[in-house]
Amino acid sequence: DIQLTQSPSFLSASVGDRVTITCRASQGISSYLAWYQQKPGKAPKFLIYAASTLQSGVPSRFSGSGSETEFTLTISSLQPEDFATYYCQQLNSYPLTFGGGTKVEVK
Amino acid sequence: EVQLLESGGGLVQPGGSLRLSCVASGFTFSSYAMSWVRQAPGKGLEWVSAVSGSGGSAYYADSVKGRFTISRDNSKNTLYLQMNNLRAEDTAVYYCAKDDSWGQGALVTVSS
Repeated sequence: DIQLTQSPSFLSASVGDRVTITCRASQGISSYLAWYQQKPGKAPKFLIYAASTLQSGVPSRFSGSGSETEFTLTISSLQPEDFATYYCQQLNSYPLTFGGGTKVEVK
Repeated sequence: EVQLLESGGGLVQPGGSLRLSCVASGFTFSSYAMSWVRQAPGKGLEWVSAVSGSGGSAYYADSVKGRFTISRDNSKNTLYLQMNNLRAEDTAVYYCAKDDSWGQGALVTVSS
């Protein structure tokens, strides 16, 4: 099974900060990676697929990059509505797996 | 607009069974693989199972293999998850998911 390791697990940041979250895969997954945002009590929201393609309606301050085993999610200028938990998911092979999550908190 | 509406959650005793349903609308249901993803209280996301658009192929996480069965009825635009021999560690919110859309979740609590 492919393991995904996200770092950091927690991140304290301020509005306007540039934030970068890393997701590392235990083996190469090409670009079969998605990113989700989840707020408390809500279902996850689909942000990015194919490692770097922004889902329709997602603000352009979000971006994704990487391939094979190392991926990043970047928020160029953190907004108040961006405080949430972020997850990566590999879609390369079954069983599909998620990273452990990164909680972005107010500094 | 894509909508996914789960039902069937509730309280069940250890060893018991429950069937979740997810009614889909707003897209051609039979054209898409569908998944179940769960989230235990205060924990991260865990992929549980997926089924191909035709229903001919099914995939499971090791944690549920042999106990859970995923299926779909494309004539009813409905996805199912039959959960047998439930354990306390199966307690979670269960989400029905298409590739880019998720339902609101159904809470399953396994407790005596």
